[in-house]
Amino acid sequence: EIVLTQSPATLSLSPGERATLSCRASQSVGRYLAWYQQKPGQAPRLLISAASNRATGIPPRFSGSGSGTDFTLTISTLEPEDFAVYYCQQRSNWWTFGQGTKVEIK
Amino acid sequence: QVQLQESGPGLVKPSQTLSLTCTVSGGSISSGGYYWSWIRQHPGKGLEWIGYIYYIGSTYYNPSLKSRVTLSVDTSNDQFSLKLSSVTAADTAVYYCARLNSDYFDFWGQGTLVTVSS
Repeated sequence: EIVLTQSPATLSLSPGERATLSCRASQSVGRYLAWYQQKPGQAPRLLISAASNRATGIPPRFSGSGSGTDFTLTISTLEPEDFAVYYCQQRSNWWTFGQGTKVEIK
Repeated sequence: QVQLQESGPGLVKPSQTLSLTCTVSGGSISSGGYYWSWIRQHPGKGLEWIGYIYYIGSTYYNPSLKSRVTLSVDTSNDQFSLKLSSVTAADTAVYYCARLNSDYFDFWGQGTLVTVSS
């Protein structure tokens, strides 16, 4: 099983700041890496697929990069609605998720 | 816009079978090209993929749950279902149905909390 490790566990930032979230895979996943945003009481929402492709309706302040084992989700300028938990997800033999990074208001 | 909605009991007794149904609207399960999945989230924890079913009935399960999971599909009603047998408190979670677009999950239901308790 491929394990995804996200860091940091919590990111404390202010609106307007830049957020950089990391996801590391225990072995290469190529570019088969997706990112999701989850707010309290809601289902996850797809942000990024194939490491860097924004999903429909996702604003350009969200960007993804990386390949192989190291991936990054960047939120260029945090808006109030961006404070949430973010998960990465890969597909290999089956589909697994990272443990999440919480982006909280500083 | 595809929409998914979970339904089923919110409380299940230990050792019994958890049963949930997902109803798909805004698109047909039979259209092909997508895999219909169940994912769960333990309270305050991360996400765990349970399995998927294709419209023709082929399935693929998470190895850690495979012995207890059965997925089925009803294409005439655009529904698919989850059965998880021999549940324990460790199966208490929010259960989501989602559409799997090969590599990623692009549409999700709102989720339903299932509590295992006597």
